[in-house]
Amino acid sequence: DAKTTQPPSMDCAEGRAANLPCNHSTISGNEYVYWYRQIHSQGPQYIIHGLKNNETNEMASLIITEDRKSSTLILPHATLRDTAVYYCIVRSSAFFGGSQGNLIFGKGTKLSVKP
Amino acid sequence: EAQVTQNPRYLITVTGKKLTVTCSQNMNHEYMSWYRQDPGLGLRQIYYSMNVEVTDKGDVPEGYKVSRKEKRNFPLILESPSPNQTSLYFCASSRPAARGETQYFGPGTRLLVL
Repeated sequence: DAKTTQPPSMDCAEGRAANLPCNHSTISGNEYVYWYRQIHSQGPQYIIHGLKNNETNEMASLIITEDRKSSTLILPHATLRDTAVYYCIVRSSAFFGGSQGNLIFGKGTKLSVKP
Repeated sequence: EAQVTQNPRYLITVTGKKLTVTCSQNMNHEYMSWYRQDPGLGLRQIYYSMNVEVTDKGDVPEGYKVSRKEKRNFPLILESPSPNQTSLYFCASSRPAARGETQYFGPGTRLLVL
């Protein structure tokens, strides 16, 4: 699975959009970009994932560059409850033989949302 | 409500005393995994299971055992716990999907081995 690079920390004002970048320059064609977050020491929580098209759900938007070498997770209106460590993970689907159920978590980005 | 449950949530034990951490999911998922999380090392996979009676080692399996006799349950067994197994443990489950699968994590079990 491709390696990802994220800034170690970011700040965001409450109510503003939080844009979290991720570089994955060695991503291969069948690898998805996943985002998870971990609030304090709770279990990681799935946010969103995509292959090459931009994706949006009720939590966030995921923008993947055309060459797929980087992506941005957007929390449109950050709240204090969005303070967490955000992990960008690249892996192929287990359906097609990707590492079975294994997510390689890096250090992530610690997002601090401030009032 | 779709969820992964773990028990106990907190456990203090002594070296060598066998223990089991239970994990159960109600989503009929095929895949289940155990991770441990340590400061500075992030989350690392211990064991995983692709279905009933099918298990395999992850990245850090030493000192652990698992079993998958039922689809919903995936207990983690420490036969002879040692202090270096003091950690925060997470169970996760997912279903393989062509468009990429979502993993659901349990709330975690914090283990202290004295």
